[in-house]
Amino acid sequence: EAGVTQFPSHSVIEKGQTVTLRCDPISGHDNLYWYRRVMGKEIKFLLHFVKESKQDESGMPNNRFLAERTGGTYSTLKVQPAELEDSGVYFCASSPLAGDYNEQFFGPGTRLTVL
Amino acid sequence: QKEVEQNSGPLSVPEGAIASLNCTYSDRGSQSFFWYRQYSGKSPELIMFIYSNGDKEDGRFTAQLNKASQYVSLLIRDSQPSDSATYLCAVMGFFGNEKLTFGTGTRLTIIP
Repeated sequence: EAGVTQFPSHSVIEKGQTVTLRCDPISGHDNLYWYRRVMGKEIKFLLHFVKESKQDESGMPNNRFLAERTGGTYSTLKVQPAELEDSGVYFCASSPLAGDYNEQFFGPGTRLTVL
Repeated sequence: QKEVEQNSGPLSVPEGAIASLNCTYSDRGSQSFFWYRQYSGKSPELIMFIYSNGDKEDGRFTAQLNKASQYVSLLIRDSQPSDSATYLCAVMGFFGNEKLTFGTGTRLTIIP
């Protein structure tokens, strides 16, 4: 079974540009989470989808970030326009809606560098 | 005060010894506790979870939870060089299927 995949693995953009990150969860996982790790800090929650609906977006830093999950499969996270402080590693995680325990399976992350 | 606190380390332990990793959390409503291992440049990988007070053992790993003290720990017995990684403590709230709140992680190095 394929794990959570993320694309791209790395992205280097200039301040003011737009970047779109993609996450493909494990097939059949209705829960999809986005997290971010800024250098030297802990991994922080951004957003939680259940299927195509936003269940919790309390961690989204501002309106420059837009997450979508059309059709309840893959998700995209767009940053527009990017700022220097958006640099970090963006992780996606997924989990089944009804599991024995609440393990979230993480993808390898997208390392975003804003210059 | 951070929601989840861990000693950032680095923690160095001789091969074959016991590595002890500690974590405290501030939200008394937390119900589920997870230990993830992350190798450099890789995704976090779940190695232990615990819900109930007491100890939970899985192979060389033992998780310990004390909800009264808001404390969770991970013991690694017979430490191996392959255990060298960053260990992340994560906490989930009451209802499940919720966000994880992470500590900053403890970097562990096993010395051969």
